[in-house]
Amino acid sequence: QKEVEQNSGPLSVPEGAIASLNCTYSDRVSQSFFWYRQYSGKSPELIMSIYSNGDKEDGRFTAQLNKASQYVSLLIRDSQPSDSATYLCALVLNRDDKIIFGKGTRLHILP
Amino acid sequence: EAGVAQSPRYKIIEKRQSVAFWCNPISGHATLYWYQQILGQGPKLLIQFQNNGVVDDSQLPKDRFSAERLKGVDSTLKIQPAKLEDSAVYLCASSSDSFQPQHFGDGTRLSIL
Repeated sequence: QKEVEQNSGPLSVPEGAIASLNCTYSDRVSQSFFWYRQYSGKSPELIMSIYSNGDKEDGRFTAQLNKASQYVSLLIRDSQPSDSATYLCALVLNRDDKIIFGKGTRLHILP
Repeated sequence: EAGVAQSPRYKIIEKRQSVAFWCNPISGHATLYWYQQILGQGPKLLIQFQNNGVVDDSQLPKDRFSAERLKGVDSTLKIQPAKLEDSAVYLCASSSDSFQPQHFGDGTRLSIL
């Protein structure tokens, strides 16, 4: 199993609906989790960071972390065409402070 | 707050030539990262610095890639000699420490002919 796994997509969601992006990881000893958004031809930009189990909300974005089940998800409410991008999941391993990125999920919001 | 600065933005070279990239992190950020991102893939960590010491360079092809971070601030990444498979975007990022979010520069798009 790869250390960080994401469905590559594309995930197509109608405008105004909720987009749900998921990420699973194989190492239990992780404490920092991040979601980055990357537009085509641009560099990644931080959307959310989450460090403890549960939900964290920021505007239309909610990150959910479940360490027991080893997954972290990102929900985007009221999806907009401008949300169309690749979403990268990343985590930092406790054992060596190493950051690992998933390959990303392409999200397409349908107008 | 000024962001992460990278140069050049684009570079085209022929295989077997050498190339160097420069990165200036956000002021005060101790941790600096170089990534290689091939089209359609997530960023691959090449090297991670904590101040001017190397934390992780396990995925750096050391026979052709080298990186340094003098005085714990600016960093350069060099490729010598370049191969066709080195065509990618090279991203520099920095963070206050390894557990905090990273901020990325605009990247350097490298094309090898």
